[in-house]
Amino acid sequence: EAGVTQFPSHSVIEKGQTVTLRCDPISGHDNLYWYRRVMGKEIKFLLHFVKESKQDESGMPNNRFLAERTGGTYSTLKVQPAELEDSGVYFCASSRQSNTEAFFGQGTRLTVV
Amino acid sequence: GENVEQHPSTLSVQEGDSAVIKCTYSDSASNYFPWYKQELGKRPQLIIDIRSNVGEKKDQRIAVTLNKTAKHFSLHITETQPEDSAVYFCAASRENTGFQKLVFGTGTRLLVSP
Repeated sequence: EAGVTQFPSHSVIEKGQTVTLRCDPISGHDNLYWYRRVMGKEIKFLLHFVKESKQDESGMPNNRFLAERTGGTYSTLKVQPAELEDSGVYFCASSRQSNTEAFFGQGTRLTVV
Repeated sequence: GENVEQHPSTLSVQEGDSAVIKCTYSDSASNYFPWYKQELGKRPQLIIDIRSNVGEKKDQRIAVTLNKTAKHFSLHITETQPEDSAVYFCAASRENTGFQKLVFGTGTRLLVSP
């Protein structure tokens, strides 16, 4: 079974630019989560999709971040415009049920310069 | 909201020694406590978890203990091996309202020297 896949693995952009991160969950996993780890701090929850619906987006830092999961398959996380403090590693995870183990992707390292 | 503190931030041990990582949490309603291991350049992987209805869980060389009264939980690794070297994260969540809305600790970098 293929794992959670994230693209790109690394991204370096200038402040003010737009970046879109993509996550392909494990096939059949209705639940998809985004997390991020900023500057070596703790990993923080951003949001949770159940299929194409946002179940919980309480962790989204501000309106510069937009997450979508059209069709309930892959998800994108867009940052527009990017700020320096957005630098960090963005993780995606997926689970079959909302109360079962979530499997993480390898993350996208975003650097805003 | 929930806050999870993790100590130590780094831990160096000799191969064969035991390693203990400790976490405390603030939300008494939290009832699910997983531990993740992230090797360099790889994805975080769940290695063990515990729910608040038990006080201890063991899986080969890894064990987790939970003290609900004191609101702390610990990861114990016995007979450490170089391949145990990684960053370990503890986390907490409420199973009924956000199982994977995990609040993580800041991580412990474990280095096991041969």
